[in-house]
Amino acid sequence: EAGVTQFPSHSVIEKGQTVTLRCDPISGHDNLYWYRRVMGKEIKFLLHFVKESKQDESGMPNNRFLAERTGGTYSTLKVQPAELEDSGVYFCASSQELAPLLEQYFGPGTRLTVT
Amino acid sequence: KNEVEQSPQNLTAQEGEFITINCSYSVGISALHWLQQHPGGGIVSLFMLSSGKKKHGRLIATINIQEKHSSLHITATQTTDVGTYFCAGQGGSEKLVFGKGMKLTVNP
Repeated sequence: EAGVTQFPSHSVIEKGQTVTLRCDPISGHDNLYWYRRVMGKEIKFLLHFVKESKQDESGMPNNRFLAERTGGTYSTLKVQPAELEDSGVYFCASSQELAPLLEQYFGPGTRLTVT
Repeated sequence: KNEVEQSPQNLTAQEGEFITINCSYSVGISALHWLQQHPGGGIVSLFMLSSGKKKHGRLIATINIQEKHSSLHITATQTTDVGTYFCAGQGGSEKLVFGKGMKLTVNP
Protein backbone atom coordinates (compact mmCIF):
# COMPACT_ATOMS: atom_id res chain seq x y z
CA GLU A 1 0.00 0.00 0.00
CA ALA A 2 1.35 3.41 -0.98
CA GLY A 3 2.14 5.82 1.81
CA VAL A 4 1.46 9.53 1.98
CA THR A 5 3.01 11.28 -1.00
CA GLN A 6 3.81 14.94 -1.49
CA PHE A 7 4.71 16.98 -4.53
CA PRO A 8 7.00 18.66 -5.25
CA SER A 9 9.81 17.49 -3.00
CA HIS A 10 11.50 20.86 -3.27
CA SER A 11 10.36 24.22 -4.59
CA VAL A 12 12.38 27.38 -4.95
CA ILE A 13 10.42 30.54 -5.71
CA GLU A 14 10.90 34.27 -5.48
CA LYS A 15 9.17 36.44 -2.96
CA GLY A 16 5.77 37.46 -4.28
CA GLN A 17 5.26 34.38 -6.42
CA THR A 18 2.67 31.68 -5.88
CA VAL A 19 3.35 28.07 -5.01
CA THR A 20 0.97 25.13 -4.69
CA LEU A 21 1.91 22.09 -2.68
CA ARG A 22 0.09 18.81 -3.09
CA CYS A 23 -0.52 15.94 -0.70
CA ASP A 24 -1.98 12.56 -1.53
CA PRO A 25 -2.99 10.74 1.67
CA ILE A 26 -3.13 7.00 2.15
CA SER A 27 -6.16 5.67 0.30
CA GLY A 28 -9.19 5.56 2.57
CA HIS A 29 -7.81 7.94 5.17
CA ASP A 30 -10.43 10.57 5.93
CA ASN A 31 -8.19 12.71 8.12
CA LEU A 32 -5.55 14.85 6.46
CA TYR A 33 -3.25 17.24 8.31
CA TRP A 34 -0.80 19.89 7.19
CA TYR A 35 2.19 20.82 9.35
CA ARG A 36 5.29 22.87 8.71
CA ARG A 37 8.74 23.29 10.16
CA VAL A 38 10.14 26.75 9.66
CA MET A 39 13.82 27.68 10.12
CA GLY A 40 14.74 24.68 12.28
CA LYS A 41 12.04 25.43 14.79
CA GLU A 42 9.45 23.01 16.05
CA ILE A 43 6.94 21.49 13.70
CA LYS A 44 3.65 23.36 13.89
CA PHE A 45 0.15 22.35 12.95
CA LEU A 46 -1.52 24.24 10.11
CA LEU A 47 -4.87 22.59 9.54
CA HIS A 48 -6.91 19.41 9.61
CA PHE A 49 -9.37 18.10 7.04
CA VAL A 50 -11.97 15.44 7.67
CA LYS A 51 -12.83 14.31 4.19
CA GLU A 52 -13.39 17.55 2.28
CA SER A 53 -14.28 19.68 5.31
CA LYS A 54 -11.90 21.82 7.30
CA GLN A 55 -12.12 20.51 10.85
CA ASP A 56 -9.52 22.81 12.37
CA GLU A 57 -7.63 25.59 10.61
CA SER A 58 -6.41 27.35 13.73
CA GLY A 59 -2.78 26.97 12.73
CA MET A 60 -2.98 28.74 9.38
CA PRO A 61 -0.64 31.72 9.76
CA ASN A 62 -2.51 34.25 7.60
CA ASN A 63 -4.76 34.63 4.58
CA ARG A 64 -1.91 34.12 2.14
CA PHE A 65 -2.34 30.40 2.80
CA LEU A 66 -5.25 28.53 1.22
CA ALA A 67 -5.84 24.82 1.65
CA GLU A 68 -8.34 22.74 -0.25
CA ARG A 69 -9.33 19.12 -0.39
CA THR A 70 -11.78 18.74 -3.23
CA GLY A 71 -13.64 15.44 -3.17
CA GLY A 72 -11.98 14.42 0.06
CA THR A 73 -8.99 12.86 -1.65
CA TYR A 74 -5.80 14.81 -2.27
CA SER A 75 -5.19 18.22 -0.78
CA THR A 76 -3.44 21.33 -2.01
CA LEU A 77 -1.86 24.11 0.00
CA LYS A 78 -1.38 27.35 -1.90
CA VAL A 79 0.81 30.19 -0.73
CA GLN A 80 0.05 33.48 -2.50
CA PRO A 81 2.04 35.67 -2.45
CA ALA A 82 4.97 33.88 -0.84
CA GLU A 83 7.13 35.72 1.69
CA LEU A 84 10.65 34.95 2.89
CA GLU A 85 9.37 33.70 6.26
CA ASP A 86 7.33 31.00 4.51
CA SER A 87 10.49 29.03 3.78
CA GLY A 88 10.55 25.70 5.51
CA VAL A 89 9.44 22.11 5.17
CA TYR A 90 5.73 21.44 4.76
CA PHE A 91 4.52 18.06 5.90
CA CYS A 92 1.27 16.30 5.25
CA ALA A 93 -0.07 13.44 7.37
CA SER A 94 -3.15 11.26 7.20
CA SER A 95 -5.03 8.93 9.49
CA GLN A 96 -8.12 6.77 9.41
CA GLU A 97 -11.68 7.65 10.39
CA LEU A 98 -12.44 9.97 13.24
CA ALA A 99 -11.53 8.31 16.54
CA PRO A 100 -9.26 9.13 19.47
CA LEU A 101 -5.57 8.38 19.59
CA LEU A 102 -4.95 7.88 15.92
CA GLU A 103 -1.51 7.25 14.47
CA GLN A 104 -0.71 9.80 11.82
CA TYR A 105 1.29 8.72 8.79
CA PHE A 106 3.58 11.41 7.47
CA GLY A 107 4.63 12.20 3.94
CA PRO A 108 8.22 13.02 2.99
CA GLY A 109 7.58 16.75 3.06
CA THR A 110 8.01 19.58 0.57
CA ARG A 111 10.97 21.86 1.17
CA LEU A 112 9.94 25.40 0.20
CA THR A 113 12.61 28.03 -0.31
CA VAL A 114 11.50 31.61 -0.88
CA THR A 115 14.27 33.92 -2.11
CA LYS B 1 4.78 28.39 26.28
CA ASN B 2 4.89 25.16 24.34
CA GLU B 3 2.70 22.41 25.71
CA VAL B 4 5.41 19.86 24.97
CA GLU B 5 8.97 20.29 26.20
CA GLN B 6 11.91 18.15 25.15
CA SER B 7 15.40 17.74 26.49
CA PRO B 8 18.17 17.75 25.54
CA GLN B 9 18.03 19.78 22.34
CA ASN B 10 21.20 18.26 20.95
CA LEU B 11 23.01 15.06 21.73
CA THR B 12 26.19 13.52 20.41
CA ALA B 13 26.59 9.83 21.17
CA GLN B 14 29.26 7.27 20.48
CA GLU B 15 28.19 4.30 18.44
CA GLY B 16 26.96 1.60 20.81
CA GLU B 17 25.95 4.04 23.52
CA PHE B 18 22.60 3.94 25.36
CA ILE B 19 20.79 7.28 25.15
CA THR B 20 17.59 8.77 26.54
CA ILE B 21 15.46 11.61 25.22
CA ASN B 22 12.99 13.17 27.63
CA CYS B 23 9.64 14.78 27.02
CA SER B 24 7.27 16.56 29.40
CA TYR B 25 3.80 17.61 28.46
CA SER B 26 0.91 19.59 29.83
CA VAL B 27 -2.64 18.69 30.75
CA GLY B 28 -5.06 17.99 27.95
CA ILE B 29 -2.76 15.65 26.09
CA SER B 30 -4.03 12.09 26.07
CA ALA B 31 -1.44 10.42 23.84
CA LEU B 32 2.22 10.98 23.21
CA HIS B 33 3.92 10.34 19.88
CA TRP B 34 7.60 9.88 19.13
CA LEU B 35 8.73 10.66 15.60
CA GLN B 36 12.04 10.80 13.79
CA GLN B 37 12.96 13.23 11.05
CA HIS B 38 15.73 11.80 8.95
CA PRO B 39 18.55 14.03 7.68
CA GLY B 40 16.93 13.78 4.25
CA GLY B 41 13.82 15.46 5.66
CA GLY B 42 11.17 12.73 5.85
CA ILE B 43 9.32 12.03 9.08
CA VAL B 44 8.64 8.56 10.44
CA SER B 45 6.32 7.77 13.30
CA LEU B 46 8.10 5.61 15.88
CA PHE B 47 5.60 5.15 18.71
CA MET B 48 2.24 6.29 19.93
CA LEU B 49 1.70 5.88 23.68
CA SER B 50 -1.13 6.50 26.05
CA SER B 51 0.19 4.30 28.85
CA GLY B 52 2.99 1.95 29.78
CA LYS B 53 5.86 1.02 27.56
CA LYS B 54 6.47 0.00 23.96
CA LYS B 55 9.52 -1.58 22.35
CA HIS B 56 10.57 -1.89 18.75
CA GLY B 57 14.01 -3.22 18.05
CA ARG B 58 16.54 -1.03 19.81
CA LEU B 59 13.96 1.64 20.63
CA ILE B 60 11.98 1.72 23.85
CA ALA B 61 9.36 4.33 24.72
CA THR B 62 7.82 4.80 28.13
CA ILE B 63 5.19 7.12 29.51
CA ASN B 64 4.27 8.13 33.04
CA ILE B 65 0.81 9.61 32.92
CA GLN B 66 0.80 10.87 36.51
CA GLU B 67 4.03 12.79 35.98
CA LYS B 68 3.17 13.74 32.39
CA HIS B 69 6.53 12.54 31.22
CA SER B 70 7.74 10.26 28.46
CA SER B 71 11.15 8.95 27.51
CA LEU B 72 12.59 7.47 24.35
CA HIS B 73 15.56 5.19 24.85
CA ILE B 74 17.86 3.99 22.11
CA THR B 75 20.00 1.07 23.11
CA ALA B 76 23.31 0.63 21.26
CA THR B 77 23.00 3.68 19.01
CA GLN B 78 24.08 3.29 15.42
CA THR B 79 25.09 5.85 12.83
CA THR B 80 21.80 5.16 11.06
CA ASP B 81 19.96 6.60 14.09
CA VAL B 82 21.04 10.16 13.28
CA GLY B 83 18.34 12.73 12.76
CA THR B 84 15.97 14.82 14.82
CA TYR B 85 13.65 13.16 17.29
CA PHE B 86 10.36 14.79 18.17
CA CYS B 87 7.82 14.06 20.80
CA ALA B 88 4.34 15.31 20.06
CA GLY B 89 1.25 15.45 22.20
CA GLN B 90 -2.19 14.60 20.92
CA GLY B 91 -5.30 15.83 22.64
CA GLY B 92 -8.96 15.73 21.83
CA SER B 93 -8.58 17.87 18.74
CA GLU B 94 -6.27 15.24 17.21
CA LYS B 95 -3.70 17.68 15.93
CA LEU B 96 -0.18 16.97 17.12
CA VAL B 97 1.63 19.54 19.24
CA PHE B 98 5.34 19.08 18.75
CA GLY B 99 8.29 19.67 21.02
CA LYS B 100 11.29 21.50 19.60
CA GLY B 101 13.08 18.30 18.72
CA MET B 102 16.39 16.75 19.65
CA LYS B 103 19.14 16.50 17.07
CA LEU B 104 21.11 13.28 17.45
CA THR B 105 24.61 12.89 16.10
CA VAL B 106 26.34 9.53 16.34
CA ASN B 107 30.10 9.20 16.12
CA PRO B 108 31.44 5.90 14.81
